[in-house]
Amino acid sequence: AQRVTQPEKLLSVFKGAPVELKCNYSYSGSPELFWYVQYSRQRLQLLLRHISRESIKGFTADLNKGETSFHLKKPFAQEEDSAMYYCALSGDNQGGKLIFGQGTELSVKP
Amino acid sequence: KAGVTQTPRYLIKTRGQQVTLSCSPISGHRSVSWYQQTPGQGLQFLFEYFSETQRNKGNFPGRFSGRQFSNSRSEMNVSTLELGDSALYLCASRLTGTVSYEQYFGPGTRLTVT
Repeated sequence: AQRVTQPEKLLSVFKGAPVELKCNYSYSGSPELFWYVQYSRQRLQLLLRHISRESIKGFTADLNKGETSFHLKKPFAQEEDSAMYYCALSGDNQGGKLIFGQGTELSVKP
Repeated sequence: KAGVTQTPRYLIKTRGQQVTLSCSPISGHRSVSWYQQTPGQGLQFLFEYFSETQRNKGNFPGRFSGRQFSNSRSEMNVSTLELGDSALYLCASRLTGTVSYEQYFGPGTRLTVT
């Protein structure tokens, strides 16, 4: 079955601390992985996609096919990073269907 | 480019009624997908439309339906509303014919069923 798992519902860190939001997936085929972020009262927006291998707002994520993981990392958390983060998966036999994890709420304390 | 827009932003309906939600995709995007977001179930895929045809469907009852027009705008309809249909309904559009399946989301329509 196609599935995305985010094991932590809430992650609380202090400003300046490293952050790692975990994402594991199950998919038979060639997946495309994404991280979406939803700030308070804003729309869901794309943060990262694995195929572009870019760093956005200091966040990076590497697709590990062996461990079927796509963890999101940032070396130094900022208060403005506080938001809901969703890992999502699509692929060649999913078309316009994104499969989302349950989300992790990141809270960065001053 | 203007982002994905959804109307209305808020709706209150009573059980048994029906509702129609509208979505305008980003210009040039021909694929539109719909999602239901609830605190308990999270984000769940409803269906996708491309070139006025439903291409993919999630695991929702037949009360949930949609359509797409020739200008790629899409509507979603829910008939015989139930209390459990209260949710944020999100529309997303994507550019087809590229290597990526990334989608861009609208602000959502908050539906409350009483």
